[in-house]
Amino acid sequence: DGGITQSPKYLFRKEGQNVTLSCEQNLNHDAMYWYRQDPGQGLRLIYYSQIVNDFQKGDIAEGYSVSREKKESFPLTVTSAQKNPTAFYLCASSKTSAYNEQFFGPGTRLTVL
Amino acid sequence: EDKVVQSPLSLVVHEGDTVTLNCSYEVTNFRSLLWYKQEKKAPTFLFMLTSSGIEKKSGRLSSILDKKELFSILNITATQTGDSAVYLCAVVSNTGNQFYFGTGTSLTVIP
Repeated sequence: DGGITQSPKYLFRKEGQNVTLSCEQNLNHDAMYWYRQDPGQGLRLIYYSQIVNDFQKGDIAEGYSVSREKKESFPLTVTSAQKNPTAFYLCASSKTSAYNEQFFGPGTRLTVL
Repeated sequence: EDKVVQSPLSLVVHEGDTVTLNCSYEVTNFRSLLWYKQEKKAPTFLFMLTSSGIEKKSGRLSSILDKKELFSILNITATQTGDSAVYLCAVVSNTGNQFYFGTGTSLTVIP
């Protein structure tokens, strides 16, 4: 089945530790996105990638880093520089960056203790 | 500053009622507006609107866009408990291919 997978579903980390969230898609989509969702704030764009080996900062990139070494994979690292990392993280992909419909993964809930 | 505003923030209705959800936007270089339904986890796509005045319909759900007044509405008729969810509106800009999401409207349908 084609789709987007994110792992893990729930993640707990101690303050000051870096953590990497996985996002994989087998839809052959060029574009991939990372969003953060906090209660009452909707989805906010962290980073996006239009093509392999290329990515751009979104609205709230500070304290995060990404890589896009393979078309299928777009991991997000939440660094210790991110001041308030506890949130629900959603990964999405679209056929191309010019294609409107985004398909979302199931999300990862990160809790920093 | 580009923004998308949804109203109301939350809504509680009885089964069988009709609801209208609103999405207004100020986004530079508008390309399209999308509606999503989010139940517990990932949002699922409902509609994409690019032209004014053309209603998109899927079962009991319908949506329309007004590019002059910069808003869209999502209508749900004969609501069911399964319609309970957060409904997200997103506007896509041609500038950097950015998606701008509203905060969502939380709909609760009670039997």
